[in-house]
Amino acid sequence: DAKTTQPTSMDCAEGRAANLPCNHSTISGNEYVYWYRQIHSQGPQYIIHGLKNNETNEMASLIITEDRKSSTLILPHATLRDTAVYYCISQYSTLTFGKGTMLLVSP
Amino acid sequence: EAGVAQSPRYKIIEKRQSVAFWCNPISGHATLYWYQQILGQGPKLLIQFQNNGVVDDSQLPKDRFSAERLKGVDSTLKIQPAKLEDSAVYLCASSPGDRKRRDTQYFGPGTRLTVL
Repeated sequence: DAKTTQPTSMDCAEGRAANLPCNHSTISGNEYVYWYRQIHSQGPQYIIHGLKNNETNEMASLIITEDRKSSTLILPHATLRDTAVYYCISQYSTLTFGKGTMLLVSP
Repeated sequence: EAGVAQSPRYKIIEKRQSVAFWCNPISGHATLYWYQQILGQGPKLLIQFQNNGVVDDSQLPKDRFSAERLKGVDSTLKIQPAKLEDSAVYLCASSPGDRKRRDTQYFGPGTRLTVL
């Protein structure tokens, strides 16, 4: 079973920041936090991962709380193409996907 | 760089028939994964290969599912015989397999299987 908790769905206006929360209160010290997303009818796509420090890449930013029990994925300027299911995974090696958060970006 | 290729994209069969899916990972990727994704759920790992050896097949229903990666490159997943509950999208993913860093998985588009 997935070890993370995410809201079932979220809405965001185009051009605004999308902040997707994830709870991983049972995360172990050597487990990373991964984020993937899955656009309709496509395979999942890697977004970002982190261990303790906040991370940023060309797609998103990952903010991990100091106690590592939760994190937030930030899409700074959401577009319609960001509409997808976003999966937060805490894992050391293999990935265990939950049901994720369905993010709907609207005009 | 070419992505993970899968074929066919769609397959419709009747229960008790057999079916096979093919995956060509990204060139040079040592690790290959097969996932099953039932509608409304996240992908579930079926089997993981490191080169041509099996790393994890704990969730593979071995009475009807089999997979191979004979030359450490392409892989085939087979279901024989199929059941109605096997209707799902079968995803293949690959990763570089570099244990020194976190392994990013790259997914193919999947094969949508419908069992009637």
